[in-house]
Amino acid sequence: DQQVKQNSPSLSVQEGRISILNCDYTNSMFDYFLWYKKYPAEGPTFLISISSIKDKNEDGRFTVFLNKSAKHLSLHIVPSQPGDSAVYFCAARQNSGGSNYKLTFGKGTLLTVNP
Amino acid sequence: DAGVIQSPRHEVTEMGQEVTLRCKPISGHDYLFWYRQTMMRGLELLIYFNNNVPIDDSGMPEDRFSAKMPNASFSTLKIQPSEPRDSAVYFCASSSRGQGSSSYNEQFFGPGTRLTVL
Repeated sequence: DQQVKQNSPSLSVQEGRISILNCDYTNSMFDYFLWYKKYPAEGPTFLISISSIKDKNEDGRFTVFLNKSAKHLSLHIVPSQPGDSAVYFCAARQNSGGSNYKLTFGKGTLLTVNP
Repeated sequence: DAGVIQSPRHEVTEMGQEVTLRCKPISGHDYLFWYRQTMMRGLELLIYFNNNVPIDDSGMPEDRFSAKMPNASFSTLKIQPSEPRDSAVYFCASSSRGQGSSSYNEQFFGPGTRLTVL
């Protein structure tokens, strides 16, 4: 059972427009959420994160929104650039004492930004 | 720092053979993670270590998989015997605690090993 779901396998947007990537989760014990970006033939790299006590975190062109009641988070990229084309993974952490470094990842969304 | 180093980058082997994947974490990091990425299941955590000690191996698919961390700078993931369904990209990641909440749980990934079992 997928505790972190990214229901859109792919997304295509025009350069300069907003990209919105969505993520849903089922485990109410998750307390920290992260987004990773992955280019082909490379490992994922950390992009931005948000604690469950917040509803928004912004870093430059990237903003993550968290809606705890809906168990939903989204990543907004404004404006989108061709270099943002990559696979984006949503990840979540459950604070469970000794295993509190365990992350659960979604399957990823391939973002293509067209020039 | 060179980042997380994995070897080999590509491995092609035949069913039944032993496969050993290697990882060198970032110096000073005390957590090391092994992940597997497939189209069907996405990115799955197999096992992770803290200070060279395995903490959670609940993601290891079966007894054919084993992982070791003999010291702080080296870890191996072994599959014996390998099967075609083990074909995937295997990632190693490392992290360090105590650098502030903004980097808490930030894991640094290696480039991965693409394993193909024929």
